Amino acid sequence: RKEVEQDPGPFNVPEGATVAFNCTYSNSASQSFFWYRQDCRKEPKLLMSVYSSGNEDGRFTAQLNRASQYISLLIRDSKLSDSATYLCVVSLLSGNTPLVFGKGTRLSVIA
Amino acid sequence: EPEVTQTPSHQVTQMGQEVILRCVPISNHLYFYWYRQILGQKVEFLVSFYNNEISEKSEIFDDQFSVERPDGSNFTLKIRSTKLEDSAMYFCASTRDSVGNEQFFGPGTRLTVL
Repeated sequence: RKEVEQDPGPFNVPEGATVAFNCTYSNSASQSFFWYRQDCRKEPKLLMSVYSSGNEDGRFTAQLNRASQYISLLIRDSKLSDSATYLCVVSLLSGNTPLVFGKGTRLSVIA
Repeated sequence: EPEVTQTPSHQVTQMGQEVILRCVPISNHLYFYWYRQILGQKVEFLVSFYNNEISEKSEIFDDQFSVERPDGSNFTLKIRSTKLEDSAMYFCASTRDSVGNEQFFGPGTRLTVL
């Protein structure tokens, strides 16, 4: 049973496109939700936390549906620099509990 | 901006050898973690550490693994007798307290076991 499941992609989109990623998680006790970004052979870096009310940070919008155990990330006006792997991450509590990672969705933005 | 650092960036070792991977967490952080990522696979939790003891560990973290905070700044992961399947990227992470959500990751150590 996969704890955090994502479409691996790759998603190949032109610059300026809007792209959406989805993620499902299996543990209904999960309390904290995140999207991390990972460039090739680099460390994961926090892109944004995901709240029940949904949240937006510039071109990025994240949504959480606890009933469906579903998380989404929308990227508008894609840039070449958005090319990376996007990791859906959950944890049981905030702060000092282990993060559970999805395998990631690969995005390539093409000029 | 403060960051987590890790050394070495790449470690090559022979099967059966001991390796020590080093991390310097962000200075005012209290919770420390090791994760690993086998090439092409997801990031997996190994162990968390707080107040000089292990808080939680995964099934991967067996008797071959140990962690230590020897001097108040370094946080180390030791693998006693490396196996081929230990080849992976090992990431150290830290977080400030139990309220803060973000775990900050170091750049990783790529371990290659031959």
